[in-house]
Amino acid sequence: SQKIEQNSEALNIQEGKTATLTCNYTNYSPAYLQWYRQDPGRGPVFLLLIRENEKEKRKERLKVTFDTTLKQSLFHITASQPADSATYLCALDASGGYQKVTFGTGTKLQVIP
Amino acid sequence: SQTIHQWPATLVQPVGSPLSLECTVEGTSNPNLYWYRQAAGRGLQLLFYSVGIGQISSEVPQNLSASRPQDRQFILSSKKLLLSDSGFYLCAWSGRGGKGYEQYFGPGTRLTVT
Repeated sequence: SQKIEQNSEALNIQEGKTATLTCNYTNYSPAYLQWYRQDPGRGPVFLLLIRENEKEKRKERLKVTFDTTLKQSLFHITASQPADSATYLCALDASGGYQKVTFGTGTKLQVIP
Repeated sequence: SQTIHQWPATLVQPVGSPLSLECTVEGTSNPNLYWYRQAAGRGLQLLFYSVGIGQISSEVPQNLSASRPQDRQFILSSKKLLLSDSGFYLCAWSGRGGKGYEQYFGPGTRLTVT
């Protein structure tokens, strides 16, 4: 069956360090993968999209890698700040055409001052 | 710029009562529209998506239904709510083709069925 796993339910990290979140998937062949941020009681906010033919994507302090052989994406936040504390969701292309994605359950990141 | 509205923000309904949640999008045309549900501590579950007026695809068999009477309006309904329908309901839109695959979410509706 298809499965998306995000490495842990919660991740605590010291301010200034690099946070690394993992998204593993099985039985998918996604054309792209997305990362979202969700704050409590709010809708997710899109952060980055990476396509199957891209190895790495960067946006300010964020970096995403996509390894279709390992079936894994890594999401890095460098120089983490307390304001980065949130739940981060990965989402995989699940449609091949209708722009439908399947979300992982998320990793709750806590950046400790 | 594009905006997405959902209402109401919170709702408490008894079991067996009907439901109608509305979502509207401004500033874009012909979007893909989505309804998700997020149970407490759980991931986002896609309920319905629509690629055009009157075109609805259901992802999960349940007592909910969706309609798209206008290009930028998406409605989630139920005739009789169940306790298990409680959750955080999110509407989202995405563009068509090109580079626009990301989804933009509304503020959500917190539904409690009692």
